[in-house]
Amino acid sequence: AQKVTQAQTEISVVEKEDVTLDCVYETRDTTYYLFWYKQPPSGELVFLIRRNSFDEQNEISGRYSWNFQKSTSSFNFTITASQVVDSAVYFCALTFSGGYNKLIFGAGTRLAVHP
Amino acid sequence: EAGVAQSPRYKIIEKRQSVAFWCNPISGHATLYWYQQILGQGPKLLIQFQNNGVVDDSQLPKDRFSAERLKGVDSTLKIQPAKLEDSAVYLCASSLGGAVDTQYFGPGTRLTVL
Repeated sequence: AQKVTQAQTEISVVEKEDVTLDCVYETRDTTYYLFWYKQPPSGELVFLIRRNSFDEQNEISGRYSWNFQKSTSSFNFTITASQVVDSAVYFCALTFSGGYNKLIFGAGTRLAVHP
Repeated sequence: EAGVAQSPRYKIIEKRQSVAFWCNPISGHATLYWYQQILGQGPKLLIQFQNNGVVDDSQLPKDRFSAERLKGVDSTLKIQPAKLEDSAVYLCASSLGGAVDTQYFGPGTRLTVL
């Protein structure tokens, strides 16, 4: 069975703090893909990143970075020097080869960044 | 490039009434998805179309929910009759149509059933 767990329901930080959002996944497939989406108050899910199971290189994009570790089945997301505009719900999601691109989402982590 | 369009953005109905949602995907995207997002949860796939054919509707409550994508572009999702537990945000997404493609989401329709 495929499953995504985001154990942190809510995180509250003060602006400029670094914050890490955890994501743990379960799958028996050897070929799979992991995603992070951001859902601001407007409601639209905004695509942030996609990784495949064969590429464990960490990725950095501006203040965002992602740490993919197959050994612990984790795909964690770090925001450096957080800003108020980062306040949103963040979802980790999984799809797998043969899954017809069906996304399985975690429950999300609500991040509140205070000035 | 225009994103995924959805309407209406908000809808309030009484239980047992009917409601329909509309989605227009990104131009050229062959695959269209409808997700249900209950408050405090992640989105759950209801139905997936590849062009105008259904790929996966295993989690669609077929006794009350229906969806169509007649010309392989726009899609409508209908609920008839609605129940209180159908209160949720209904998200439409689209992707190019490959085996594993990034999905792009619309703004969603927030449904409240009273």
